[in-house]
Amino acid sequence: EDQVTQSPEALRLQEGESSSLNCSYTVSGLRGLFWYRQDPGKGPEFLFTLYSAGEEKEKERLKATLTKKESFLHITAPKPEDSATYLCAVQASNTGNQFYFGTGTSLTVIP
Amino acid sequence: GAVVSQHPSRVICKSGTSVKIECRSLDFQATTMFWYRQFPKQSLMLMATSNEGSKATYEQGVEKDKFLINHASLTLSTLTVTSAHPEDSSFYICSARDLTNRETQYFGPGTRLLVL
Repeated sequence: EDQVTQSPEALRLQEGESSSLNCSYTVSGLRGLFWYRQDPGKGPEFLFTLYSAGEEKEKERLKATLTKKESFLHITAPKPEDSATYLCAVQASNTGNQFYFGTGTSLTVIP
Repeated sequence: GAVVSQHPSRVICKSGTSVKIECRSLDFQATTMFWYRQFPKQSLMLMATSNEGSKATYEQGVEKDKFLINHASLTLSTLTVTSAHPEDSSFYICSARDLTNRETQYFGPGTRLLVL
């Protein structure tokens, strides 16, 4: 059964304290792994798409990496405005259009 | 970048009434849109896949007669919650698939529905 698991469930960091969020997946035929940021009461905001193992994408303080089993979202020197829930989603070849979402990591960056 | 809008952003209605939520892709055409429901502090739950010009595909456990979906154009999908009840109160989010950007889904800002 296809699964997407995110860890940790919640993470509190001091401003400037770098860390990583994990997204582990078990799907048949990965078509793409997507990272989104969601602020309370808002829709998810697209961050990155990764398609193959070894691929990396960067945007400001965020860097996403992908292996055959998991993806990491590295946050370097986070700021309070990086506080949000980070969702990963996987699209698999055997499910066509459907995205499987993880339950998210709630990140709080303390000034 | 790809922008998806939803209207209304918030709606309060009485039990038994119907509510229509619109989802629009503003700067790209979307043959496929998705409707999600999200409960507090939980992830997104896919309700249905909306295909332009054809019937929507509903996920298991989602009542198609209660959640009517119409995708009449390449930029608009609507979700109508019929005979709404308090248990339908939730955060409804749509997304649109951008075929020109390797099928990335872009999400709308969501609609908060409260049924009294």
